[in-house]
Amino acid sequence: IAGITQAPTSQILAAGRRMTLRCTQDMRHNAMYWYRQDLGLGLRLIHYSNTAGTTGKGEVPDGYSVSRANTDDFPLTLASAVPSQTSVYFCASSANRGVSDGYTFGSGTRLTVV
Amino acid sequence: DQQVKQNSPSLSVQEGRISILNCDYTNSMFDYFLWYKKYPAEGPTFLISISSIKDKNEDGRFTVFLNKSAKHLSLHIVPSQPGDSAVYFCAASGEYGNKLVFGAGTILRVKS
Repeated sequence: IAGITQAPTSQILAAGRRMTLRCTQDMRHNAMYWYRQDLGLGLRLIHYSNTAGTTGKGEVPDGYSVSRANTDDFPLTLASAVPSQTSVYFCASSANRGVSDGYTFGSGTRLTVV
Repeated sequence: DQQVKQNSPSLSVQEGRISILNCDYTNSMFDYFLWYKKYPAEGPTFLISISSIKDKNEDGRFTVFLNKSAKHLSLHIVPSQPGDSAVYFCAASGEYGNKLVFGAGTILRVKS
């Protein structure tokens, strides 16, 4: 089934540990995004990539890094996790730079930092 | 400060009646607006969109209205069904190219 796969589904992580959230898409979409969802704040953009080999910062990039070595994969890394990074993380993709078709989202990763 | 605001955290509607979800925005550079629907433990799914050159877009039971002068849009669901119970996110784009800015979401409960 075409779409976006995120892993893990959920994770409890000790503060200070490093963690990489995985995201893979099989739709050959050029653009990919990472959002975090927090109650009362909706979805906030962390990082994005318009095409393989390029990345950019979103609204809340601090404490996170990304890479885009190929079209399909867009991992999100927390170098040293803090409790404020407890959230639900969604990876998304879109076919081109426009938004007329909307984004395709993964099912999310629920991360708890303790 | 949030550029896309959904001021109603939740809405409860009787099955068969109309659901109206509201969204306000502050950035006049936004030129495309979308609604997403999210069920628990799933990612958001695209529902309907509207360009700033239009004031209405309809798709089956779903209609989105845009009032640019008021910087306001709304999603109408008629008739509402229990399966419509979900979180609805309003989103906008324009200033940051293809990157969407989301509101906080509104929980819709449709009672049977």
